[in-house]
Amino acid sequence: GENVEQHPSTLSVQEGDSAVIKCTYSDSASNYFPWYKQELGKGPQLIIDIRSNVGEKKDQRIAVTLNKTAKHFSLHITETQPEDSAVYFCAARGYSTLTFGKGTMLLVSP
Amino acid sequence: GAGVSQSPSNKVTEKGKDVELRCDPISGHTALYWYRQSLGQGLEFLIYFQGNSAPDKSGLPSDRFSAERTGGSVSTLTIQRTQQEDSAVYLCASSFLGRKLISTGELFFGEGSRLTVL
Repeated sequence: GENVEQHPSTLSVQEGDSAVIKCTYSDSASNYFPWYKQELGKGPQLIIDIRSNVGEKKDQRIAVTLNKTAKHFSLHITETQPEDSAVYFCAARGYSTLTFGKGTMLLVSP
Repeated sequence: GAGVSQSPSNKVTEKGKDVELRCDPISGHTALYWYRQSLGQGLEFLIYFQGNSAPDKSGLPSDRFSAERTGGSVSTLTIQRTQQEDSAVYLCASSFLGRKLISTGELFFGEGSRLTVL
């Protein structure tokens, strides 16, 4: 089955800095790669996703890049704000189910 | 309701007792998923429903775990003879299945049921 590795497990940045979270996956058949944000006491919520026919996607301050050859994808957050503090999960899907990474706790200090 | 609803939000039980966790998905979503989130761990897949059938139950940890879905809507996850290692947050998610029975992508999660086994 699919295996998703995510790094780093924790990331501390100053407000205004950029944050990058990286993931690798094992199943070359995976074709959908979403990123979820989980705030304390809440369920994860989709923030951006990318499909295998695209190399990069951007939505305001967040962007995701995908390298299918190397089987890795990354989340980039620019101009971080305290409200970006949360746990971020990457995921990969082949046929029907999503396999998630173990998450990255992002702390943005004012 | 507008979102995925889970109950109870918190459950404390004694080792050896059975528990039932309920999920009410978004209306019209035919796919339903159960995940488990343990402290410091990611989201561990348990089971996936397509309508009332479960084509993938490969993530259920043991035969103490079972789940059902009725009427293509509400799902119940049952844990029998609970153990301390079952303590976790159990998350339910739903999504829309397109014509080719492939999820269009986004999973909508509930807020989870936090289970504590003493």
